[in-house]
Amino acid sequence: DQQVKQNSPSLSVQEGRISILNCDYTNSMFDYFLWYKKYPAEGPTFLISISSIKDKNEDGRFTVFLNKSAKHLSLHIVPSQPGDSAVYFCAASAGYGQNFVFGPGTRLSVLP
Amino acid sequence: DTEVTQTPKHLVMGMTNKKSLKCEQHMGHRAMYWYKQKAKKPPELMFVYSYEKLSINESVPSRFSPECPNSSLLNLHLHALQPEDSALYLCASSSLMAGGLDEQFFGPGTRLTVL
Repeated sequence: DQQVKQNSPSLSVQEGRISILNCDYTNSMFDYFLWYKKYPAEGPTFLISISSIKDKNEDGRFTVFLNKSAKHLSLHIVPSQPGDSAVYFCAASAGYGQNFVFGPGTRLSVLP
Repeated sequence: DTEVTQTPKHLVMGMTNKKSLKCEQHMGHRAMYWYKQKAKKPPELMFVYSYEKLSINESVPSRFSPECPNSSLLNLHLHALQPEDSALYLCASSSLMAGGLDEQFFGPGTRLTVL
């Protein structure tokens, strides 16, 4: 049973528009979430994180929103750029020192 | 230095070979991880070392043998692998700082092909 789900395997967005990537989780013990970006033939790169005491965290063009009651988080990229085209993984953990469970990933394509 | 390095980048080996993957970080991180990633799948955790001690072994076959010689180095010794072990092997590290955001920093991976 997948504890972290990313139901959209792929997403295409026009350059300059907003990209919204979604992630759902089932384990109510998860309280810390990360987004990673992965280019082909490279390791995942940490993008942004959020802990359960917050419902929003912003870093430049990237904003992560957390809805604990819905067990849902989303990553917003505004404005989207062609260099953002990559696979985005959502990962969750049940607290400090606990390991991360990854979602299956969403492939984002930003079209020029 | 905020980098995790892995060598080699690519490795092709036969089922009777013995080889090792290496990972290094100089960020002072006290946790290091091995992940296996198959094509179009998320990384799967294999091993975790915390303070140079093996803390997690996710039921990995004994043909994979991890080693943590010191806090900066992590090895994965390979012996008698199967073709289905072909994958991208990722190393990661994290600080394990109490109260800190324990994000993991990943290396670029070693692409392993077992013939």
